[in-house]
Amino acid sequence: EVQLVESGGGLVQPGGSLRLSCAASGFTFSSYWMSWVRQAPGKGLEWVANIKQDGSEKYYVDSVKGRFTISRDNAKNSLYLQMNSLRAEDTAVYYCARSTDFWSGYQIDYWGQGTLVTVSS
Amino acid sequence: QSALTQPASVSGSPGQSITISCTGTSSDVGGYNYVSWYQQHPGKAPKLLIYDVSNRPSGVSNRFSGSTSGNTASLTISGLQAEDEADYYCSSYTSSSTPIVIFGGGTKLTVL
Repeated sequence: EVQLVESGGGLVQPGGSLRLSCAASGFTFSSYWMSWVRQAPGKGLEWVANIKQDGSEKYYVDSVKGRFTISRDNAKNSLYLQMNSLRAEDTAVYYCARSTDFWSGYQIDYWGQGTLVTVSS
Repeated sequence: QSALTQPASVSGSPGQSITISCTGTSSDVGGYNYVSWYQQHPGKAPKLLIYDVSNRPSGVSNRFSGSTSGNTASLTISGLQAEDEADYYCSSYTSSSTPIVIFGGGTKLTVL
């Protein structure tokens, strides 16, 4: 059974930093692209970033470029999102998600339960 | 890159069929067969219902079906049940620029 378990969310002040983690199990982690998707309170889904199997390709939504960094450790079956210079508009539930590759349009097939990030003073 | 356009809400009675539309452009929905649909119950993570426009993952009821016509994708739910009441999101690959995956704004389905 595919399982994705996020951690690391919490309350942070504007301008602060936070590192999210996602522990994957139930599948061969190193064989899949992985993504982060967020959902602001009461709002829709927004794709944030994704990373290739070996970490050699990474893509970001424009609003987080230069502030967020996606990374992975295949030996630990883990995905990360380093978030710096956080803003109020980054407040959201952040989901870790398994994706297909470019040839299948990076579609997401499994989601974690999410971790809440609140940016507020 | 704007989000895909979905109706904010739809409703139907048990046993009826409903269709949710998802309108994009030739750079996303109309250009690629990479449209997915997700169901999200309150406080829960999204669940994949449809991928590649019309394919259902194992375990998803055949009451859910997907299609496209031009730049518009559609999700049809037949034989509505109370447990279908949820938010539904479409998603597509886009070749415009990053983001490379875009979502619709979501549709709230109410089962009357």
